[in-house]
Amino acid sequence: TQLLEQSPQFLSIQEGENLTVYCNSSSVFSSLQWYRQEPGEGPVLLVTVVTGGEVKKLKRLTFQFGDARKDSSLHITAAQPGDTGLYLCAGWGSSNTGKLIFGQGTTLQVKP
Amino acid sequence: EAGVVQSPRYKIIEKKQPVAFWCNPISGHNTLYWYRQNLGQGPELLIRYENEEAVDDSQLPKDRFSAERLKGVDSTLKIQPAELGDSAVYLCASSLVLNEQFFGPGTRLTVL
Repeated sequence: TQLLEQSPQFLSIQEGENLTVYCNSSSVFSSLQWYRQEPGEGPVLLVTVVTGGEVKKLKRLTFQFGDARKDSSLHITAAQPGDTGLYLCAGWGSSNTGKLIFGQGTTLQVKP
Repeated sequence: EAGVVQSPRYKIIEKKQPVAFWCNPISGHNTLYWYRQNLGQGPELLIRYENEEAVDDSQLPKDRFSAERLKGVDSTLKIQPAELGDSAVYLCASSLVLNEQFFGPGTRLTVL
């Protein structure tokens, strides 16, 4: 069974601080995705990383896929209150079953 | 373009009662997913449809849960009878290509 573990589970920081969220597995994934979910809404896709070592940037968010395609990280620079939400990593299994496996999520609170 | 539509948004029922959730996917999306999301956790796949065929229902508790996708468009997920542990958010998602899922806002179910 492929599992994704996220850390930390909860993060409360002040506006302007930097943070990193980690997503780790003992299994290889063909690709990993990051979603952001706000209360009362469904997850919204932020990025997909496919190649080992790949780095993608989305404004103040930087996503990295590990060289071995077993882990990923999300770094937010100068966090804003609007970044508050649940961040989820999700992976497509290497067996290409069409099943997306989610981590348990990281709840981020950015205080003004 | 309209997103994934789900109804109702909230449902409160007593245990042992039946409940049904409805989902209308994005027009043209052949693949439809039902997920369950417990509080503070990532979504877990219950069932995936390709058109009207259920291609992955391995995580669906078939003793009390059922789903259908007549005509390969909208879908209904039913629980009968509901148990206290079924309290969660039920998310519907749809996709045109495998690695890009669009989620609806979910139905928050509370079983008393």
